[in-house]
Amino acid sequence: GAGVSQSPRYKVAKRGQDVALRCDPISGHVSLFWYQQALGQGPEFLTYFQNEAQLDKSGLPSDRFFAERPEGSVSTLKIQRTQQEDSAVYLCASSLGQTYSNQPQHFGDGTRLSIL
Amino acid sequence: KQEVTQIPAALSVPEGENLVLNCSFTDSAIYNLQWFRQDPGKGLTSLLLIQSSQREQTSGRLNASLDKSSGRSTLYIAASQPGDSATYLCAVRGGRDYKLTFGKGTLLTVNP
Repeated sequence: GAGVSQSPRYKVAKRGQDVALRCDPISGHVSLFWYQQALGQGPEFLTYFQNEAQLDKSGLPSDRFFAERPEGSVSTLKIQRTQQEDSAVYLCASSLGQTYSNQPQHFGDGTRLSIL
Repeated sequence: KQEVTQIPAALSVPEGENLVLNCSFTDSAIYNLQWFRQDPGKGLTSLLLIQSSQREQTSGRLNASLDKSSGRSTLYIAASQPGDSATYLCAVRGGRDYKLTFGKGTLLTVNP
């Protein structure tokens, strides 16, 4: 597709369940980012991949959050033992260039996660 | 730690009016600054990207300026239309960073 694709668009889970969120970046984009957006707030950085390498995971809130991009394309964000404070929109973005390029980040529509 | 502030938090204007959205950041050592638009339930659409060496960028009715030394950027929207109604987000990328740091956004409503 032409843009960043995320699935599912909506996810409802019970507290304590594990969830997996998928991101298909724009074809050929080297850089991939995950952000978390709480209601009424701007997105906050979670983690960054350059190809398959996870170069920065400093924004992950806890060790319950795990992200991977094994083949340098599709990425999955996994949240284990979900808690209510995990409820948010999770946005994926991709960028053509490597770490310090000036290319813009292109965002998907996000996955809205609700934990009951 | 970089902090980004957007003023006002919300703005309502009649159609046809020119308007300015403000963004300020605390650390002037930025790599670039990007303005986004977010429609309800949607992701972010990139509007303009200004590199740290640039003063402004224009796209159609949008003009963004950057004053790095004072830590400020403005987004100017000319002849506003109801279709411009959305949340506008400003984000900066630090000089030694690749992540974006966002403000909370300005919710713009353009009334017909």
